[in-house]
Amino acid sequence: SQQGEEDPQALSIQEGENATMNCSYKTSINNLQWYRQNSGRGLVHLILIRSNEREKHSGRLRVTLDTSKKSSSLLITASRAADTASYFCATDAGHQFYFGTGTSLTVIP
Amino acid sequence: DAGVIQSPRHEVTEMGQEVTLRCKPISGHNSLFWYRQTMMRGLELLIYFNNNVPIDDSGMPEDRFSAKMPNASFSTLKIQPSEPRDSAVYFCASSLGTKNEQFFGPGTRLTVL
Repeated sequence: SQQGEEDPQALSIQEGENATMNCSYKTSINNLQWYRQNSGRGLVHLILIRSNEREKHSGRLRVTLDTSKKSSSLLITASRAADTASYFCATDAGHQFYFGTGTSLTVIP
Repeated sequence: DAGVIQSPRHEVTEMGQEVTLRCKPISGHNSLFWYRQTMMRGLELLIYFNNNVPIDDSGMPEDRFSAKMPNASFSTLKIQPSEPRDSAVYFCASSLGTKNEQFFGPGTRLTVL
């Protein structure tokens, strides 16, 4: 399978702390995206990083991509209770799109 | 813009019945994706269209599933006959180009009894 896998599966932190989640994939990609899913809702796009980029920022989010290790990380700084959600990475390789299994993040107020 | 619209939001049906899920993509988007999400299998891509043409349907689980996109503003996913193992949340997403940000609808929660 070319599916991405997130690590850890679940993460629980205190409000204000930073949260880091990782994504590993198996084949060369064109780009990698991170999405958030709140319980019972659809996925919401957070950030897209292309294969020729190494780092990208958006507000409190920082994404890195290491194509040599076939991995990416998502860092959420100064977490808030509203960041509680599942986070998925999605890889695009040719005509194929794959979502990972997700990291469930709980931010405790 | 209203975003991606899916209907119905919830569907409960009995095994053997035909189920049709509907999706209206964001106006101007030319790519449309159908996904299925379950606890066991996570989020799976079933099929996607580009400019109304099916590009990859390798994720469609079996012949009981079919999808159409008759025009740029409407797509259907049909299951006939439905089975209990089809119970899942089905998402539709659209994007401008196949390699860009996807906008997801709210999903249809399907329960097959």
